Amino acid sequence: AQSVTQLGSHVSVSEGALVLLRCNYSSSVPPYLFWYVQYPNQGLQLLLKYTTGATLVKGINGFEAEFKKSETSFHLTKPSAHMSDAAEYFCAVSDLNDYKLSFGAGTTVTVRA
Amino acid sequence: EAQVTQNPRYLITVTGKKLTVTCSQNMNHEYMSWYRQDPGLGLRQIYYSMNVEVTDKGDVPEGYKVSRKEKRNFPLILESPSPNQTSLYFCASSTLKEQYFGPGTRLTVT
Repeated sequence: AQSVTQLGSHVSVSEGALVLLRCNYSSSVPPYLFWYVQYPNQGLQLLLKYTTGATLVKGINGFEAEFKKSETSFHLTKPSAHMSDAAEYFCAVSDLNDYKLSFGAGTTVTVRA
Repeated sequence: EAQVTQNPRYLITVTGKKLTVTCSQNMNHEYMSWYRQDPGLGLRQIYYSMNVEVTDKGDVPEGYKVSRKEKRNFPLILESPSPNQTSLYFCASSTLKEQYFGPGTRLTVT
């Protein structure tokens, strides 16, 4: 079973600053990789995903993530934080040919004015 | 429109009173699953179903039951809820590369 580690349960950034959320997974075989966002009192929204192809994946709301096989990582970035980015972010992985998603513990992002 | 619906969205109940959370999808997916979300733990899979009449335990199945009598529906049953089942629950309907989540059910057991 996959293990997913999100480094840092809380991240605070200034408006306009870089947002960097870290995610590492345990599998030696490249899995499918996902980032979800959850705004306060809302459900899960898919930000972006990597299944095959280009390792730099662009998502919604200006976010992108890069799959690095050698580092078993899939870190999420956004060059310039906006107040509306305040939310909880989850990294998730699934093995090839497996439907099950394994989630990280989540990172809460706070944006300071 | 592809959709996963859950009902109810919010529920407050008492210990021991049986309840069912319904889940329905309109995408004809074979795979459906239930997750619970708890602070600091992310989402954990409770049960999943590969097809009609085929269900299996996920990572945290204790205290829960499911059934899959029809492809579109996958209800979650708590026969004797306890306070440690207070959580946010998500139903999901999936292909191998895509998961569709319901809006969530916030359950409080007192």
